[in-house]
Amino acid sequence: SQELEQSPQSLIVQEGKNLTINCTSSKTLYGLYWYKQKYGEGLIFLMMLQKGGEEKSHEKITAKLDEKKQQSSLHITASQPSHAGIYLCGADGAIKAAGNKLTFGGGTRVLVKP
Amino acid sequence: DGGITQSPKYLFRKEGQNVTLSCEQNLNHDAMYWYRQDPGQGLRLIYYSQIVNDFQKGDIAEGYSVSREKKESFPLTVTSAQKNPTAFYLCASSRQGYSNQPQHFGDGTRLSIL
Repeated sequence: SQELEQSPQSLIVQEGKNLTINCTSSKTLYGLYWYKQKYGEGLIFLMMLQKGGEEKSHEKITAKLDEKKQQSSLHITASQPSHAGIYLCGADGAIKAAGNKLTFGGGTRVLVKP
Repeated sequence: DGGITQSPKYLFRKEGQNVTLSCEQNLNHDAMYWYRQDPGQGLRLIYYSQIVNDFQKGDIAEGYSVSREKKESFPLTVTSAQKNPTAFYLCASSRQGYSNQPQHFGDGTRLSIL
């Protein structure tokens, strides 16, 4: 089965500073999803990456998938308190018949200090 | 507005009792999923369903049961056989038959033992 490792597990960043979260897979990623979760709430979909070398941005958040499709990074520029939360990466199974099951990483807890 | 509704938000279970968590979606999605999240960890798949009257076990199905009698509804029963049920439960849905469609999540149900 596919395993996803996220790093770091947690980080504290000063408001206005940049931060990067990594998601590494033991197998080729066919679809990589980034979600954000506030404590005690559901997951909010951020972005999806499919192609090697792909990069997407939304507001101050940029996600990239490396050429080998085994690692993704999420970068937040000039962090704000609203960026605090838990960020999770999720990956599609390689077999489409598996019904879009996602495997998730352990999450990265982000705290932004004002 | 379309979305996924989970109820109740908080649930308490007594020893030997079965409890049922509700999940309803009005997104017209074919596929629905149940995940379990433990403190400081990512999500683990319990059950998923790609179509009405059909469902498949996920990675941690023991002690849980589901039904899918209607497209909109995918209730999860936590049985007395589940010895460690305390967790945050998340329901999700997605379109089926399309490549790499993101899953949309409800706000979760927190289950605790009395």
